[in-house]
Amino acid sequence: GQQLNQSPQSMFIQEGEDVSMNCTSSSIFNTWLWYKQDPGEGPVLLIALYKAGELTSNGRLTAQFGITRKDSFLNISASIPSDVGIYFCAGWASGNTPLVFGKGTRLSVIA
Amino acid sequence: KAGVTQTPRYLIKTRGQQVTLSCSPISGHRSVSWYQQTPGQGLQFLFEYFSETQRNKGNFPGRFSGRQFSNSRSEMNVSTLELGDSALYLCASSLQGGPQETQYFGPGTRLLVL
Repeated sequence: GQQLNQSPQSMFIQEGEDVSMNCTSSSIFNTWLWYKQDPGEGPVLLIALYKAGELTSNGRLTAQFGITRKDSFLNISASIPSDVGIYFCAGWASGNTPLVFGKGTRLSVIA
Repeated sequence: KAGVTQTPRYLIKTRGQQVTLSCSPISGHRSVSWYQQTPGQGLQFLFEYFSETQRNKGNFPGRFSGRQFSNSRSEMNVSTLELGDSALYLCASSLQGGPQETQYFGPGTRLLVL
C-alpha cells in the first residue's frame, strides 16, 4: 500500500532554534496535511496543503507541498518548549483512498 | 461546540475476548473514521463511516468491524483479541469526509490486551 517516509524520527533542539522535517512518497498525493500530537491526546491539524508548490504558514509554522506531489516539508521557526510533541505528515492520494500517515517526528525542545 | 469524544479512555482485556469502543463525533459531522496507532506501525486507517454506511476500509482482518448509528455516533468492535491489538484507537470526524475537509480527532481509547 501507499506509504509516507517521514524524517527525522526524532530531534533534540535548543529553544529558539529552527526545525525542519519532511515527508516523501513514491506515489503522488493530492493533499498534504501536517498534524501535531501531544501526550494523551489525538492529533491536531496544523496546516493543510492542496496545491503543488503551495507554501502555507500558520504562525511560526510553514509547510510546503512539493512540486512533484511526492513530498512535503514542515518548518518551525524559533522553537519554544510547547512545540514538544510528535509531528505527523499525512496525505490523501484521491478522494476514494484513505488518509495515509507518516510515522512521525518526535520533537524535544531543551530550554 | 464539544469535540470528538471517545469512551472508554482506557481498557484492559485478555486474549480471546472481544471489545467495543465508542465514538461521538462533533455535532453536525456525518463522517467518522477510525485509526489504530501503535509505536511500530504508526497511525493506520481502519474504516470510515458516512450516513450509517461503511465508505472505505483499511487493510485489517475481519475481526475488526464497525458501525454507525443514525445520530452519527460510531462503534468499533474487535473480536477474538490478540496481543498485537494493543494500541491507541483514535476516531476522527468531519462534516462529509474527503480530502478538502479537516478531520478532528478524539483523545483515543488505549487498549491493552494481556
